[in-house]
Amino acid sequence: EAGVAQSPRYKIIEKRQSVAFWCNPISGHATLYWYQQILGQGPKLLIQFQNNGVVDDSQLPKDRFSAERLKGVDSTLKIQPAKLEDSAVYLCASSFGSGAEAFFGQGTRLTVV
Amino acid sequence: SQKIEQNSEALNIQEGKTATLTCNYTNYSPAYLQWYRQDPGRGPVFLLLIRENEKEKRKERLKVTFDTTLKQSLFHITASQPADSATYLCALAGGYNKLIFGAGTRLAVHP
Repeated sequence: EAGVAQSPRYKIIEKRQSVAFWCNPISGHATLYWYQQILGQGPKLLIQFQNNGVVDDSQLPKDRFSAERLKGVDSTLKIQPAKLEDSAVYLCASSFGSGAEAFFGQGTRLTVV
Repeated sequence: SQKIEQNSEALNIQEGKTATLTCNYTNYSPAYLQWYRQDPGRGPVFLLLIRENEKEKRKERLKVTFDTTLKQSLFHITASQPADSATYLCALAGGYNKLIFGAGTRLAVHP
């Protein structure tokens, strides 16, 4: 079974630039999560989708971050404009249903300079 | 606000001993509690899930307990090995099954 795919693996951008991350979840998984993990901290939930609807986005900085999940499958997370404090690993995960075990991708390491 | 607390200090133990990690939570009533392992540069990997009506769950050398009165979970690794060295994350799924994580505890098992 293929795992959760994320791209790119690494990204370096200057502050105020924009960046987009892509995630392809495991086939058949209805729930998709985006997390931000700063070095030394646990994953922080940014947004959770159930199919193509948003379950929770209370921690998503909506003035600069946006996410969509078209057709309830792939998802993209965008940051525009980026700030230095956005430097982190962005993890995508999927699960069969809400509350079930989550499968994570390898993440995208973003460095904002 | 909802809060999950895990020991921020690293846990150092000798090979063969039992490692016990703690997860405490406040302002939350999770339906499920999960434990994950994370190695450097990798995404978290699921280990165990325990439901609110379960007291204990076991899988090979792993054991998890869940006390909804104390709002606490304990995670045990028996007969620990150096390969068990990693960061262990506690995660709660509650309202709408939003999955939130603690900061994790780093475990180092020494030969």
